[in-house]
Amino acid sequence: GDSVTQTEGQVALSEEDFLTIHCNYSASGYPTLFWYVQYPGEGPQLLFRASRDKEKGSSRGFEATYDKGTTSFHLRKASVQESDSAVYYCALSVNSNNRIFFGDGTQLVVKP
Amino acid sequence: DPKIIQKPKYLVAVTGSEKILICEQYLGHNAMYWYRQSAKKPLEFMFSYSYQKLMDNQTASSRFQPQSSKKNHLDLQITALKPDDSATYFCASSQSGTLQNTLYFGAGTRLSVL
Repeated sequence: GDSVTQTEGQVALSEEDFLTIHCNYSASGYPTLFWYVQYPGEGPQLLFRASRDKEKGSSRGFEATYDKGTTSFHLRKASVQESDSAVYYCALSVNSNNRIFFGDGTQLVVKP
Repeated sequence: DPKIIQKPKYLVAVTGSEKILICEQYLGHNAMYWYRQSAKKPLEFMFSYSYQKLMDNQTASSRFQPQSSKKNHLDLQITALKPDDSATYFCASSQSGTLQNTLYFGAGTRLSVL
């Protein structure tokens, strides 16, 4: 079935560190891929999406490139800030009804 | 001001009882959804509605029934509650039900079933 795997359950960094959160997907069709961020007490909000192979999504300094060959959509940021502390979800959708499959999420903790 | 209002924010229920989770959106969207987030599973899609009609249902149990009395409302009725139903339930909406439209989530209702 369609699914997303996030390798890291929790990532702890210091400010200005480089961030990578790994995301690999399995899909029956040609999925649209997403990264969502969730802050405490709030619902998830979309960071960005990508729909085609080699397409790069980006927002607020975060970026990820759709790689059909390695079925990956890894999230990266060159220099994290304490305010980036949140849970990050990789997600995909393969149908037209906005049914989105989410990964388990990665808790990012950034220390000042 | 929040554009998607979920009520209540917290809800405690006893096993076997029935509860209704309220969701209203003021974004002018035509599609609404319910997702569930529990300690044991990631965010799970439950239902999608477009123009007040059911489009997609991934919830096996008939104990979960969405109710759309108005275009901007999609409540969730849960009957015969079980402890396993304990989770945070998120309502979401989008301009239309197609994938090109961004999903906006409410803050959730945290349900605890004792």
